[in-house]
Amino acid sequence: TQLLEQSPQFLSIQEGENLTVYCNSSSVFSSLQWYRQEPGEGPVLLVTVVTGGEVKKLKRLTFQFGDARKDSSLHITAAQPGDTGLYLCAGESEDYKLSFGAGTTVTVRA
Amino acid sequence: DTEVTQTPKHLVMGMTNKKSLKCEQHMGHRAMYWYKQKAKKPPELMFVYSYEKLSINESVPSRFSPECPNSSLLNLHLHALQPEDSALYLCASSQEWVGGTRQPQHFGDGTRLSIL
Repeated sequence: TQLLEQSPQFLSIQEGENLTVYCNSSSVFSSLQWYRQEPGEGPVLLVTVVTGGEVKKLKRLTFQFGDARKDSSLHITAAQPGDTGLYLCAGESEDYKLSFGAGTTVTVRA
Repeated sequence: DTEVTQTPKHLVMGMTNKKSLKCEQHMGHRAMYWYKQKAKKPPELMFVYSYEKLSINESVPSRFSPECPNSSLLNLHLHALQPEDSALYLCASSQEWVGGTRQPQHFGDGTRLSIL
């Protein structure tokens, strides 16, 4: 299993502040997904990045895939309480298995 | 609402019971997955079905028995479980390849399983 290190583990910020979550690995992934999971629910797909150096924007969320396809970041601008949740990165390897990072619990205080 | 439907949402069972978890998707996805997720941990892959055939078993104990009756349904049969098997069991599905690109997995909301 390829390991994905996700940081930080916990993040608590005030509404309106920005935040960044990092996902790093020594392995190359064919693609990388970001999910958000809320209590009592399954992970919801936010984005898939495939190409090294790729940047995708989803409203206030910006996702970046590293040039070498080993790392990724999620940046949220002007965070809102609705952004609260567990953020998971997941890398897909050549054998189609999905390896998850440990997750980042984000709390946005009103 | 998720397009992957799992039933039941909650299940409490004794260690000697036999029960089944069900998963259904109508997105035409040909790959389906079972994951186990403990509290505050990421999902861990258990099984993968591709075109209704078991393609990956991540050394899961035989008290968990998967079944894929057709391309839309995935079951997980449970028998003689242990208290440490208490967890959220997630089902996911994916389209596999579209236009040369592997498609991401979509998850259901899971079944919260408690073993007494």
